[in-house]
Amino acid sequence: RKEVEQDPGPFNVPEGATVAFNCTYSNSASQSFFWYRQDCRKEPKLLMSVYSSGNEDGRFTAQLNRASQYISLLIRDSKLSDSATYLCVVNLLGGYNKLIFGAGTRLAVHP
Amino acid sequence: DGGITQSPKYLFRKEGQNVTLSCEQNLNHDAMYWYRQDPGQGLRLIYYSQIVNDFQKGDIAEGYSVSREKKESFPLTVTSAQKNPTAFYLCASSPLQGRNTEAFFGQGTRLTVV
Repeated sequence: RKEVEQDPGPFNVPEGATVAFNCTYSNSASQSFFWYRQDCRKEPKLLMSVYSSGNEDGRFTAQLNRASQYISLLIRDSKLSDSATYLCVVNLLGGYNKLIFGAGTRLAVHP
Repeated sequence: DGGITQSPKYLFRKEGQNVTLSCEQNLNHDAMYWYRQDPGQGLRLIYYSQIVNDFQKGDIAEGYSVSREKKESFPLTVTSAQKNPTAFYLCASSPLQGRNTEAFFGQGTRLTVV
């Protein structure tokens, strides 16, 4: 089983749609969680951290369920510029700091 | 400006040659990482380090070597033992402790074997 698993997509949605991505992780010792965005042929960039209480940044909402080892990202009112690959990231803090990436979910927003 | 710099951006290597990819950061981060990304794939961890003169193998370390002689620098050598080295290589750094331990990436190096 992969340490971090994501639905690869692609998700093809019209502008204005709401879309949700899911991610599961296998190591219960994981302590920090993030969503990154990667545009084609570019480096990943931090979209948002994921906190236990859930957090929101504009049109983006991230949630964490530690009991189920599950992370989600919700994008409301999708824009064409949201088209990218979204990477789920888990950090195994303590001992050695190790960042593990999911394979990514591709989103394509069309007019 | 603080950041993480990788060089070169593009690199061509002949089969059987070793090449070294540079990664430098001035963010005062303790942890540094090297990832490999193949087309349409996710990031796979090659090596990581959280302190000078110490580093750990990731999931695909075979055919690669690293050093961490300075906190700011974490060069990656792709050796001739790496059978399929053509890929996009990404270096990242992060703080070790605190609430915000997210990683910051360099712009990457595209390595092509010719």
